Amino acid sequence: AQKITQTQPGMFVQEKEAVTLDCTYDTSDPSYGLFWYKQPSSGEMIFLIYQGSYDQQNATEGRYSLNFQKARKSANLVISASQLGDSAMYFCAMREGIVTGNQFYFGTGTSLTVIP
Amino acid sequence: DSGVTQTPKHLITATGQRVTLRCSPRSGDLSVYWYQQSLDQGLQFLIQYYNGEERAKGNILERFSAQQFPDLHSELNLSSLELGDSALYFCASSLRVGEQFFGPGTRLTVL
Repeated sequence: AQKITQTQPGMFVQEKEAVTLDCTYDTSDPSYGLFWYKQPSSGEMIFLIYQGSYDQQNATEGRYSLNFQKARKSANLVISASQLGDSAMYFCAMREGIVTGNQFYFGTGTSLTVIP
Repeated sequence: DSGVTQTPKHLITATGQRVTLRCSPRSGDLSVYWYQQSLDQGLQFLIQYYNGEERAKGNILERFSAQQFPDLHSELNLSSLELGDSALYFCASSLRVGEQFFGPGTRLTVL
């Protein structure tokens, strides 16, 4: 089974609207972390937001929030008030074994296009 | 600017050769991570070092090795290069678990 699944290869959103990028994960480890990254066309990788499996509240960082639903094993990224500069590839990732230090797994990414 | 530097920015070499990629983490960050991004395999975690010690190992080939030095900079050594090793190699650093700061990457082309 895939460790990280991103089912939306491409998404479009109108400027100033909110958009949700889906991510589901698969693990039996009770200690894990979920990451979202942004990769613009320039190629750099930008860390956006992190959610630990034991965190009680959903993570937020400015316009980014992570909708963490542990029972459903989903960790969707919500971008509010989309801007043209949000157009990029977005990758979801999981790290199993936060304490013991195990592997990272990445999804295949979602390409987001913000329409003016 | 994340504060993480990687050199060189681009590297073109031939099959069978050996190259070394270098990463300097943000000041104060103890962890260094190496990732490979290729069209075939997507993003893959290679290895993590924490304060000079190997902390976690991912899909790193035996032909590849890494180390972190006392000044915390890290090097990724790729040997017996194959065409399939052509990729973007990222280094990232962190001090805490829930953060990662990426360098600009090294684009390796194996001809």
